[in-house]
Amino acid sequence: AQSVTQPDIHITVSEGASLELRCNYSYGATPYLFWYVQSPGQGLQLLLKYFSGDTLVQGIKGFEAEFKRSQSSFNLRKPSVHWSDAAEYFCAVGATDMRFGAGTRLTVKP
Amino acid sequence: DTAVSQTPKYLVTQMGNDKSIKCEQNLGHDTMYWYKQDSKKFLKIMFSYNNKELIINETVPNRFSPKSPDKAHLNLHINSLELGDSAVYFCASSQKRLTFGETQYFGPGTRLLVL
Repeated sequence: AQSVTQPDIHITVSEGASLELRCNYSYGATPYLFWYVQSPGQGLQLLLKYFSGDTLVQGIKGFEAEFKRSQSSFNLRKPSVHWSDAAEYFCAVGATDMRFGAGTRLTVKP
Repeated sequence: DTAVSQTPKYLVTQMGNDKSIKCEQNLGHDTMYWYKQDSKKFLKIMFSYNNKELIINETVPNRFSPKSPDKAHLNLHINSLELGDSAVYFCASSQKRLTFGETQYFGPGTRLLVL
């Protein structure tokens, strides 16, 4: 069965610092992987997705993610975090059905 | 120019009542979904419709009944509301069914509180 694990419930980084949010998945075939962001009181917005090709995927707002099949991971990264990046981040996997991780809450310190 | 809209945004009601949440998308998508996000932020799919046909029906109490009058609308009716139904309900849509990495577009959510 497909599943997603986001090991970090809450991460705090300083503004300008780099960021990496972890995501591990379990999927029987070639996974379709997604990262969504949810700002307070808002719906989810797609940051990026991967399903084939280059394992380093560029997304919106300066985010990127790297697919590593050997580690069953799809970690999200950003070189320099802005205060407006404070939000909840969800990793998801699925093709005909979508499974979301429990989310990682990002706090950005001034 | 809202892509996926939901009404109401907030809903506070008593246990035992019946309520509906409406969802509309103006993206011309074929497929729509309802998700429930619990207090721990966990998102779980409830239903999915493709061109007004139910295609995903997860293990959800019979008190929840989706209705799709046309492919741009997917409403969620909940009978005999219980305390455990308190959550945020998200509507979403995608161009086609979830194959080959279809992107889902989410509405702003409806925050339901059952007292």
